[in-house]
Amino acid sequence: DQQVKQNSPSLSVQEGRISILNCDYTNSMFDYFLWYKKYPAEGPTFLISISSIKDKNEDGRFTVFLNKSAKHLSLHIVPSQPGDSAVYFCAASDADSGNTPLVFGKGTRLSVIA
Amino acid sequence: DTGVSQDPRHKITKRGQNVTFRCDPISEHNRLYWYRQTLGQGPEFLTYFQNEAQLEKSRLLSDRFSAERPKGSFSTLEIQRTEQGDSAMYLCASSLTSGSDTQYFGPGTRLTVL
Repeated sequence: DQQVKQNSPSLSVQEGRISILNCDYTNSMFDYFLWYKKYPAEGPTFLISISSIKDKNEDGRFTVFLNKSAKHLSLHIVPSQPGDSAVYFCAASDADSGNTPLVFGKGTRLSVIA
Repeated sequence: DTGVSQDPRHKITKRGQNVTFRCDPISEHNRLYWYRQTLGQGPEFLTYFQNEAQLEKSRLLSDRFSAERPKGSFSTLEIQRTEQGDSAMYLCASSLTSGSDTQYFGPGTRLTVL
């Protein structure tokens, strides 16, 4: 049973536009959420995180929104750049930090078209 | 900058053989994690250590799998009597214990069992 779901396997966006990647979770014990980016033949790279006590966290072009009541989070990338093309994973932890075992979604492949 | 390193990067073995992978974490990180990723899936947690103590093992970690971190620095993951279903990318990550620090991943070891 998938506790973290990324229902869109792929997404294509024009360069300069906004990319919105979605993630849903089922476990109400999850308290901390992270987004990772993965290029082929590399390990996942941390992008941004959010604690359940917040509903928004921003870092440069990346913003994560959390809706606890809906058990939904999203990653916004503005403006999208060709170098953003990668697989994006949503991950969750039942602790209040990212330094405990993470549960990952299956990922969304983002293609940014120049 | 010495990130997380893994060795080997690729391993091809025949069914029934034993294999061992090594992970060297970021030097000041006292937590070390092992994950497995198969095609089309996100990383799945296997086990993790704080210093030399193994804190948790996933039910995915069958009796054929064993992980060690004898001196609290590098870690090894051994798979005995490999099966074709063990073919996957094995990812190692490390983190600090305190604060909301995140996990930093290595490039992974790709195992192919023939």
